[in-house]
Amino acid sequence: AQSVTQLGSHVSVSEGALVLLRCNYSSSVPPYLFWYVQYPNQGLQLLLKYTSAATLVKGINGFEAEFKKSETSFHLTKPSAHMSDAAEYFCAVSPPYNQGGKLIFGQGTELSVKP
Amino acid sequence: NAGVTQTPKFQVLKTGQSMTLQCAQDMNHNSMYWYRQDPGMGLRLIYYSASEGTTDKGEVPNGYNVSRLNKREFSLRLESAAPSQTSVYFCASSEGGAADGGTEAFFGQGTRLTVV
Repeated sequence: AQSVTQLGSHVSVSEGALVLLRCNYSSSVPPYLFWYVQYPNQGLQLLLKYTSAATLVKGINGFEAEFKKSETSFHLTKPSAHMSDAAEYFCAVSPPYNQGGKLIFGQGTELSVKP
Repeated sequence: NAGVTQTPKFQVLKTGQSMTLQCAQDMNHNSMYWYRQDPGMGLRLIYYSASEGTTDKGEVPNGYNVSRLNKREFSLRLESAAPSQTSVYFCASSEGGAADGGTEAFFGQGTRLTVV
């Protein structure tokens, strides 16, 4: 069965510092991978997704993620944190040939940014 | 651009009461989903509908029923609410389809449900 593990339920960085949010998946075949962001009292919106076209994926707001098959990882990074990046971030997988395209989510990582 | 619309946004129920959460999407998507979000547990799939006329159980279906009324609408019903169903509920939709797992899901704003 597919599963997703996000290391660290809370991550705190200073404004301008590197953001690194970790995500590992378990799957017998490379799945589709997603990062979503949730701002307070809102729904989720897509940051970026991996669909096998390229291992380094660029998303919105300066975020990017690298798919590493050997490490079964899909970590999210941003070179320089901004106060507006404070939110909860979810990694998700979708198995290939998955009827209906349902997503399996990790537990979430809350990012706080200190001035 | 309405996207995915959920009603109501907030609800308080007494144990044993029933209610239906409504969801509608205007993107002509094939697939729709209901998730619940609980602290430290991420989002867990309750039910989904891969296409109009079909519904399937997700990870946590017990205590819930769904109806795919038409391509636009997908409702979630709690027949006899329990305190364990206190949660934030999200409806989502995607192009979906039978052979592709890589389509983006679009989420509604959520319904905050408290069962006392």
